[in-house]
Amino acid sequence: AQTVTQSQPEMSVQEAETVTLSCTYDTSESDYYLFWYKQPPSRQMILVIRQEAYKQQNATENRFSVNFQKAAKSFSLKISDSQLGDAAMYFCAYSLTPIQGGSEKLVFGKGTKLTVNP
Amino acid sequence: SQTIHQWPATLVQPVGSPLSLECTVEGTSNPNLYWYRQAAGRGLQLLFYSVGIGQISSEVPQNLSASRPQDRQFILSSKKLLLSDSGFYLCAWKGTRDPWGTDTQYFGPGTRLTVL
Repeated sequence: AQTVTQSQPEMSVQEAETVTLSCTYDTSESDYYLFWYKQPPSRQMILVIRQEAYKQQNATENRFSVNFQKAAKSFSLKISDSQLGDAAMYFCAYSLTPIQGGSEKLVFGKGTKLTVNP
Repeated sequence: SQTIHQWPATLVQPVGSPLSLECTVEGTSNPNLYWYRQAAGRGLQLLFYSVGIGQISSEVPQNLSASRPQDRQFILSSKKLLLSDSGFYLCAWKGTRDPWGTDTQYFGPGTRLTVL
């Protein structure tokens, strides 16, 4: 079964600094998707960034980028120039692709609470 | 653009009472629909998913059930709530064909359920 592990329950960063959140996963599949979702105090899950496993190039979205190491099954999130609005729970998640069938459900880690200090 | 709605936003119910949470999606057709539950201090756990009208799959045996009476409507129900049903319930949709994309689930605002 697929599992996702986030080893940092809490992290803090100074405003304008850079922070990296860690995520490892376990799967026997060769193709899959990886995601980072953000859950602010409102508790709505918001997509931050996605990565397809067959793509070697790391995904980037403005101040957010990932370091995807497929062999190591590692998928870390880097937030540059941190802003107060980045404070939230961050969840790493995994899913199979539509080609593989099934529910394509998201398997989530337990989350990392990010605090941004002014 | 696509939007997903959930209601109610907050609900407080006594043990043993029935439950009905509704989720609707706009701006897409034939989506996959999902119900997740988030217990306090935990990640999300998939409860049910649906690939079409009347097609429901359960991931976890429990006190809850789901139905999909229309293409873009997904309902979570219970006949008798338990204390352990308390939590935050999130509905999500995923496109099954272009142009909506087929790789990402998008979440609704959630329903906070407290069972007393």
